[in-house]
Amino acid sequence: QVQLQESGPGLVKPSQTLSLTCTVSGGSISSGGYYWSWIRQHPGKGLEWIGYIYYSGSTYYNPSLKSRVTISVDTSKNQFSLKLSSVTAADTAVYYCARVKYSSSVPDYWGQGTLVTVSS
Amino acid sequence: DIQLTQSPSFLSASVGDRVTITCRASQGISSYLAWYQQKPGKAPKLLIYAASTLQSGVPSRFSGSGSGTEFTLTISSLQPEDFATYYCQQLNSYPFTFGPGTKVDIK
Repeated sequence: QVQLQESGPGLVKPSQTLSLTCTVSGGSISSGGYYWSWIRQHPGKGLEWIGYIYYSGSTYYNPSLKSRVTISVDTSKNQFSLKLSSVTAADTAVYYCARVKYSSSVPDYWGQGTLVTVSS
Repeated sequence: DIQLTQSPSFLSASVGDRVTITCRASQGISSYLAWYQQKPGKAPKLLIYAASTLQSGVPSRFSGSGSGTEFTLTISSLQPEDFATYYCQQLNSYPFTFGPGTKVDIK
């Protein structure tokens, strides 16, 4: 059973960089067949796709966030990471990491999510 | 971006009821649509993908249909554990977008 777990600071100051890591267990990021994705949900609101990475390092970013987002992968640690720069209060959200099936593009396994608050 | 709308936004129902939620896309997305269930404080759970394919382990009372711009999620007999918020998501073109959600509450 694949499990994903987000980790990182729960509080980030405005203008700083939000950094989160997703640790994958029960399966290898390098096995192929899946993208590894970040999705966020603003408090009480809907879901927003941030982007994803393949184990080879190829990425896709949501154009609305592309100038501020970097997703990277560390296959040796079976982890992938999110960096979001120049954050504002509008970036306050629950951030989820998820495994996305390559064949269907659907996230089939999700982490539990981590709340990141942007505040001074 | 492709916009998704869901109706109703809120639904009050009783255990045993048949429930139908509609998702409409701003342009045709073939059958590239998924449905998720989310309970408070939890991550979304994949129910259906490719408009009508049931994810492994999901009860058969859930079903999906539609193609093009109009889709439906049906729960044939609502169970107590089904009270949650349901989201649709289009996977036809980037960026993949989600609907605003339909909250199913206890009548």
